[in-house]
Amino acid sequence: QVQLQESGPGLVKPSETLSLTCTVSGGSITSYYWSWIRQPPGKGLEWIGYVYYSGSTNYNPSLKSRTTMSADMSKNQFSLKLSSVTAADTAVYYCARVGWRGSSYYFDYWGQGTLVTVSS
Amino acid sequence: AIQMTQSPSSLSASVGDRVTITCRASQGIRNDLGWYQQKPGKAPKLLIYAASILQSGVPSRFSGSGSGTDFTLTISSLQPEDFATYYCLQDYNYPWTFGQGTKVEVK
Repeated sequence: QVQLQESGPGLVKPSETLSLTCTVSGGSITSYYWSWIRQPPGKGLEWIGYVYYSGSTNYNPSLKSRTTMSADMSKNQFSLKLSSVTAADTAVYYCARVGWRGSSYYFDYWGQGTLVTVSS
Repeated sequence: AIQMTQSPSSLSASVGDRVTITCRASQGIRNDLGWYQQKPGKAPKLLIYAASILQSGVPSRFSGSGSGTDFTLTISSLQPEDFATYYCLQDYNYPWTFGQGTKVEVK
């Protein structure tokens, strides 16, 4: 059974960089895309982007200029960096595996989420 | 970006009721749509992908239909564990976008 676990600071200061890591267990990160999704408190879900195990990426244009994702096959992990954060970036951040069938993509495994608060 | 609009935003229902949630895309997305269930404090859970394919392990009372711009999630007989918020997600093109959510509450 694939399991995902987010880790990283729960508090980040404004203008600094948010850094999160997702550790995958029960399966390899190879041959899959891995995604980050966030949810501000009491609000809906927003797709941030994905990283392929080989390192290629695709980001949401709304966050692209501030987003960097990477994957580390040796550690079976992938990561998110979001720069120049503001209070609007306060959210629960989820990592998820991107499954696919034909041309359909979906998030079939999720981490439990980690709350990141941006505050001085 | 493609906008996904769910209706209603919330509904009240009783155990045993048939519940229908609609998701409309701002442009055609073939059948590239999934449905997710989220309970408070928990990560979303995949229910359906490709508009109508039930994810393994999901009860058969959940079903999805639609193509193009209009999609439906149906719960044939609402169970106590189904009270939650439901989201649709289009994966037709980037950026992938979610609907705003539909909260199913106890009547």
